[in-house]
Amino acid sequence: QVQLVQSGAEVKKPGASVKVSCKASGYTFTRYGISWVRQAPGQGLEWMGWISAYGGNTNYAQKFKGRVTMTTDTSTSTVYMDLRSLTSDDTAVYYCARESVGWLAEFDHWGQGTLVTVSS
Amino acid sequence: QSVLTQPPSASGTPGQRVTISCSGSSSNIGTNYVYWYQQLPGTAPKLLIFRNTQRPSGVPDRFSGSRSGTSASLAISGLRSEDEADYYCATWDTSLTGHVIFGGGTKVTVL
Repeated sequence: QVQLVQSGAEVKKPGASVKVSCKASGYTFTRYGISWVRQAPGQGLEWMGWISAYGGNTNYAQKFKGRVTMTTDTSTSTVYMDLRSLTSDDTAVYYCARESVGWLAEFDHWGQGTLVTVSS
Repeated sequence: QSVLTQPPSASGTPGQRVTISCSGSSSNIGTNYVYWYQQLPGTAPKLLIFRNTQRPSGVPDRFSGSRSGTSASLAISGLRSEDEADYYCATWDTSLTGHVIFGGGTKVTVL
């Protein structure tokens, strides 16, 4: 069965960076893309960007351009999301979600979420 | 605030029908498919409706989606206690170079 397993919770200081991983299994990794979606405490869902697992093409939300980098390792079927210059506003649960190529916003499987807390 | 507008809350008694609206514009809902996600407390979102009206396998037919012009709706018929959750609409906006957008979410309460 399709599974997306994310790395564990992180606590970071303002100004630091965080790298969250999302390991995929149960399907052909390179046939899909992965989006990252975050959810601040008590808030709604916010799309951060997408990466193609096949060629590594990316598409970042304007809000995160210059501060986020998404990469993929096909040898381990893992996608990474690196977010820099953290502030308290980045405290959130970060989800990875599988997206069918060509079907934007169609997230048929999600990771369990990774809580990132930014605090001094 | 979100580009897609949803009511913050909706409620009903068991067995009732509840409808959630999602209002957008010609560059998003008016042009592209709409998706609905259900998020139970403390869990990751789950795909509930895809490409406006389709249900993934395992989603009860009590859930239905529709789209008309620049708005979309999710209907829950025969409301059950386990339907108490947050519901989000999503699509992408062609004016934002393929960026995905979510509605602000609607909390459904079963009275």
